Amino acid sequence: DSGVTQTPKHLITATGQRVTLRCSPRSGDLSVYWYQQSLDQGLQFLIQYYNGEERAKGNILERFSAQQFPDLHSELNLSSLELGDSALYFCASSVGTGGPRGGELFFGEGSRLTVL
Amino acid sequence: AQSVTQLGSHVSVSEGALVLLRCNYSSSVPPYLFWYVQYPNQGLQLLLKYTTGATLVKGINGFEAEFKKSETSFHLTKPSAHMSDAAEYFCAVSVSGANSKLTFGKGITLSVRP
Repeated sequence: DSGVTQTPKHLITATGQRVTLRCSPRSGDLSVYWYQQSLDQGLQFLIQYYNGEERAKGNILERFSAQQFPDLHSELNLSSLELGDSALYFCASSVGTGGPRGGELFFGEGSRLTVL
Repeated sequence: AQSVTQLGSHVSVSEGALVLLRCNYSSSVPPYLFWYVQYPNQGLQLLLKYTTGATLVKGINGFEAEFKKSETSFHLTKPSAHMSDAAEYFCAVSVSGANSKLTFGKGITLSVRP
């Protein structure tokens, strides 16, 4: 058990819809990361937050947005869903950002999104 | 910016055989290097990491990796493969600095034949 909790574990929805994925980081971790994993794209970094502020942005689509709340949990919002958005979405957390501690990420078990 | 290269997408070994998964990095400053493992239907977990000091690092489940600066490599090895080692393995790199982010390689799938 990594200590990172993601909900829901599975989600099936239709094209054009909007979903919200939730992540609770490990106790004490200030950084939260979101990754997308699919068979064709592999593991893609989406976005990182540190103590409530956006710290780094990766290959995140404009239809996607995220935030980190004062209690440090994070939500990833996916809107106008397309078939190609079907993937496993991982949240990870770390103590800090950058350096050796920042590279030690603890991953949740993921939220599997299926868009029909 | 730093990067890692994992050549090939799939490695197959027999049970009991040596496991060697290659990783080469690119970084203009001293890197921190990591190997992560992802078992089927699970999230990634840290296998081992190199920060500073001893260049041969040992991780969980009998895996180890050696940092070779001259070769810009951080290959992962295990003397004797076990069926339970079948998984996807990711090499990753970061550097010092508050804005540094962890950069993952494409991953390599390890299959273990009975």
